[in-house]
Amino acid sequence: AQKVTQAQTEISVVEKEDVTLDCVYETRDTTYYLFWYKQPPSGELVFLIRRNSFDEQNEISGRYSWNFQKSTSSFNFTITASQVVDSAVYFCALSEEQAAGNKLTFGGGTRVLVKP
Amino acid sequence: DTGVSQNPRHKITKRGQNVTFRCDPISEHNRLYWYRQTLGQGPEFLTYFQNEAQLEKSRLLSDRFSAERPKGSFSTLEIQRTEQGDSAMYLCASSLRTVTAYEQYFGPGTRLTVT
Repeated sequence: AQKVTQAQTEISVVEKEDVTLDCVYETRDTTYYLFWYKQPPSGELVFLIRRNSFDEQNEISGRYSWNFQKSTSSFNFTITASQVVDSAVYFCALSEEQAAGNKLTFGGGTRVLVKP
Repeated sequence: DTGVSQNPRHKITKRGQNVTFRCDPISEHNRLYWYRQTLGQGPEFLTYFQNEAQLEKSRLLSDRFSAERPKGSFSTLEIQRTEQGDSAMYLCASSLRTVTAYEQYFGPGTRLTVT
């Protein structure tokens, strides 16, 4: 069965500091997809990034970057130079190729509070 | 089309009443999902449609819950004889599964409060 663990429940930083969110996953599927979603106070889940299991290249997109390490089953996410608008709950999610409809399994979320 | 829409945004009902929620997916998306999110938790999968066919249901979806997607367009989620434990945010998502696209896009959710 697939499982996602986000050990950090809450992180508080001062604006312009970097924030790294940890995510560890479990799956028996050889092909899977990992995602990060943001849920601001308004409540709507916003898709941020996706990584495929067969592509371990780490990338940077604007102020977001991610570190995918298959050997440790981790998919960490970093916000560089945080801003107050980054305050939200961030969810890591896993989708297995074999799962019907590629349904998502979410972690428990990490609340990020960016103080001015 | 600007995204997934859900109605109503909020619903307060008394225990034992029936409620129905609606989800309108992004128009070209063939897959539609329902998730439930309780306070402080991540969303949990409930059910999934490929076009009009309901192909997967979670064990979380008791027989008081029913979902439909007539003609493969909008979807409804009905809860009969609501219980206080049904209080949660009900999220709808849609996706267009292609070789390169996997993302699910979420609506704003319907927050249900059962009193």
